[in-house]
Amino acid sequence: DTGVSQNPRHKITKRGQNVTFRCDPISEHNRLYWYRQTLGQGPEFLTYFQNEAQLEKSRLLSDRFSAERPKGSFSTLEIQRTEQGDSAMYLCASSLVASGSFKTQYFGPGTRLLVL
Amino acid sequence: AQKVTQAQTEISVVEKEDVTLDCVYETRDTTYYLFWYKQPPSGELVFLIRRNSFDEQNEISGRYSWNFQKSTSSFNFTITASQVVDSAVYFCALSDMNRDDKIIFGKGTRLHILP
Repeated sequence: DTGVSQNPRHKITKRGQNVTFRCDPISEHNRLYWYRQTLGQGPEFLTYFQNEAQLEKSRLLSDRFSAERPKGSFSTLEIQRTEQGDSAMYLCASSLVASGSFKTQYFGPGTRLLVL
Repeated sequence: AQKVTQAQTEISVVEKEDVTLDCVYETRDTTYYLFWYKQPPSGELVFLIRRNSFDEQNEISGRYSWNFQKSTSSFNFTITASQVVDSAVYFCALSDMNRDDKIIFGKGTRLHILP
């Protein structure tokens, strides 16, 4: 059984470029979450999906950010026109929603983004 | 509003010493979950424990133990006989039990175990 995987693990880009990250959740997990973690801080919630439906977006998710989960399996997070302030670790987590049971979120290794 | 405070930003102890990581939380919710996650240098967040607000029993798992006290809104984590492999950043976190779609994390405590 594999855990949550994320690609790439590291990304360096120039300001103004677009970047896309991918997250593959634990198989059969129907919820998928994106968090952002800046240096010295805890992760902050960005958005989450239940199957292919995006159910909530944080106000941290500006118009330059878009996330998709087209088939309810993997997800992509795209940042357009990157800014230096976007430099952070982007973490993905997944969980299994089942009636009456708690949904522990399991995290991937993250994608570390550096915008020059 | 929900908030998690980890006042200790960094702690260093010598191997085999016991160490306690403090966590204080704020929430208006009457039902909630509390968590601890470990983040080793590799970056991946590792789930350690989840506690619900109904259950104030302390929990022990090997060298790890957790002390949940609702009266002081605290959920402290103790590592007994620390080992170098325990070196990591530890996050305390909180989630509303009725809508646990997001987890609110503290800023973390960086723990150094010195050989």
